[in-house]
Amino acid sequence: KAGVTQTPRYLIKTRGQQVTLSCSPISGHRSVSWYQQTPGQGLQFLFEYFSETQRNKGNFPGRFSGRQFSNSRSEMNVSTLELGDSALYLCASSSSGFEAFFGQGTRLTVV
Amino acid sequence: QQQVKQSPQSLIVQKGGISIINCAYENTAFDYFPWYQQFPGKGPALLIAIRPDVSEKKEGRFTISFNKSAKQFSLHIMDSQPGDSATYFCAASFSGYSTLTFGKGTMLLVSP
Repeated sequence: KAGVTQTPRYLIKTRGQQVTLSCSPISGHRSVSWYQQTPGQGLQFLFEYFSETQRNKGNFPGRFSGRQFSNSRSEMNVSTLELGDSALYLCASSSSGFEAFFGQGTRLTVV
Repeated sequence: QQQVKQSPQSLIVQKGGISIINCAYENTAFDYFPWYQQFPGKGPALLIAIRPDVSEKKEGRFTISFNKSAKQFSLHIMDSQPGDSATYFCAASFSGYSTLTFGKGTMLLVSP
């Protein structure tokens, strides 16, 4: 069974640009969550989607948004990028709402 | 507000020794407590998890101890090996939701 796939693995963007990250969950998993990982703040929850609906949202500005498609694939968008958005963005999928399995992440660097 | 506090920040253990990482939580509504292991350049991998209806869970060399009254739980790695050197995160969540609140992480180094 394939794991959680995140694309792209690495991204370099300029301040003010926008970026879209993609996540394909484990087959059969309907819940997808996104996290931001930085050395200073650790792992912080961004949002969770279940059956195309945002079920929960973390404490991030509105520049961070996401969506989930009917095949459970999810995308995350960050608009008007800031230097502080440089981070590893992780996607996790779950079937039961308990065990969450992470992808390898997308390393975003904002210059 | 940090809802899950993890200690220590870093830990050095000799090969064959016991590694112990502790976490404390504040929200009594949490009812699922997983531990994740993360190697550099990789995403966190689920190691072991516990529900509050049991006080201990063991899987191989990894054991979670859970103290509901103290709102604390810990990870014990027995017979620690150099391959266990990684960053470990404790986390907590509510029933049915995949929203995880993580501790800050513990960088474990097992010396040969």
